[in-house]
Amino acid sequence: DTAVSQTPKYLVTQMGNDKSIKCEQNLGHDTMYWYKQDSKKFLKIMFSYNNKELIINETVPNRFSPKSPDKAHLNLHINSLELGDSAVYFCASSSPHSSTNEKLFFGSGTQLSVL
Amino acid sequence: AQSVTQLGSHVSVSEGALVLLRCNYSSSVPPYLFWYVQYPNQGLQLLLKYTSAATLVKGINGFEAEFKKSETSFHLTKPSAHMSDAAEYFCAVSDGAGFQKLVFGTGTRLLVSP
Repeated sequence: DTAVSQTPKYLVTQMGNDKSIKCEQNLGHDTMYWYKQDSKKFLKIMFSYNNKELIINETVPNRFSPKSPDKAHLNLHINSLELGDSAVYFCASSSPHSSTNEKLFFGSGTQLSVL
Repeated sequence: AQSVTQLGSHVSVSEGALVLLRCNYSSSVPPYLFWYVQYPNQGLQLLLKYTSAATLVKGINGFEAEFKKSETSFHLTKPSAHMSDAAEYFCAVSDGAGFQKLVFGTGTRLLVSP
């Protein structure tokens, strides 16, 4: 059973389109994240949600809108896609805050290519 | 602000040789430090982490890392490389306030030759 699953794995689209990436975790975690990994492998946090509430928004353009219908899901919707949005997007979730056993679990990524 | 610097975007070793991946950090508070591994077409997996307990941390797959405050370093080592160790390795730092503040380095690709 996949702990953090995201779909689709690959997404190829034209500039100006709107697309969504879905993420689900079956670990019972309260906190979920979206990370962006650029072509140089630099990985940076975009959003963090805790119990469906947004707690981090790292100066991401308004075209990106995360939605968390419940704490097991965190979807990412992107409007008016631009060439610079091409990257690998990783969903992640983490176990309880301040726990010494706290871990971050990643999905396998969605490679977005904007043409 | 916290940051990590990984020296060398690529490291090449022969199978059986020592693996050394370098990571230096900058933090204004006692840091939590992590090493993650990313295999092709997969997400990142935690190798090991330092959270202010023992300075020598042992992780999965025979990897270990030593926290050296005086050198602000957290280098990753493995005595003997296997072909299966070929992957991208990321060092990361946080201020301990959960993963919300986790900052990653730019990664080091480990290449292992027969």
